[in-house]
Amino acid sequence: GESVGLHLPTLSVQEGDNSIINCAYSNSASDYFIWYKQESGKGPQFIIDIRSNMDKRQGQRVTVLLNKTVKHLSLQIAATQPGDSAVYFCAEKVGSARQLTFGSGTQLTVLP
Amino acid sequence: ETGVTQSPTHLIKTRGQQVTLRCSSQSGHNTVSWYQQALGQGPQFIFQYYREEENGRGNFPPRFSGLQFPNYSSELNVNALELDDSALYLCASSSGGDRGRETQYFGPGTRLLVL
Repeated sequence: GESVGLHLPTLSVQEGDNSIINCAYSNSASDYFIWYKQESGKGPQFIIDIRSNMDKRQGQRVTVLLNKTVKHLSLQIAATQPGDSAVYFCAEKVGSARQLTFGSGTQLTVLP
Repeated sequence: ETGVTQSPTHLIKTRGQQVTLRCSSQSGHNTVSWYQQALGQGPQFIFQYYREEENGRGNFPPRFSGLQFPNYSSELNVNALELDDSALYLCASSSGGDRGRETQYFGPGTRLLVL
């Protein structure tokens, strides 16, 4: 994983607006991607995943977009709620490799 | 909640000591991965256990070791603790071991402070 220091990128959105969290991944051989949500004092919580043979996948209020050409991943959260405030991590995996490699994380703050 | 449990929740040790952290995997999962998460950073892979054997290792020294038991629970042991070992230690369980394509579900973590 990348060492990104102590300052997480931040995103502030108004309650009810849509949020878009971006992630640039490093390994062009990565073929599986996951978004995790981590609240303060808790472990990462699975949100949604996508395999490299897809470019879009939708869940409940969330959509993940994958652009393999520019090695970019995004998470869209519809109608953002206060409970969505957390740090969001993207993670990538190569084939049968054992480990997930995590991105730097984005702190999402939902404003009332 | 994922069903992955870890103990203890918090731990304070002094430099040079040894520590054992424990993880119980989610029902039906046979693979356990351990990660270290420093403050403000993403988790870093330590190693994975499948069928009671180490099944992959990240860039961590040999003083980080582990075990997996027949019930798929796991331990992480760290010897000769250093100040930089202070972190949140996360356990993640998954199924399928060698296939390597299954989602990893994380426990709440153990917060270790080394003084």
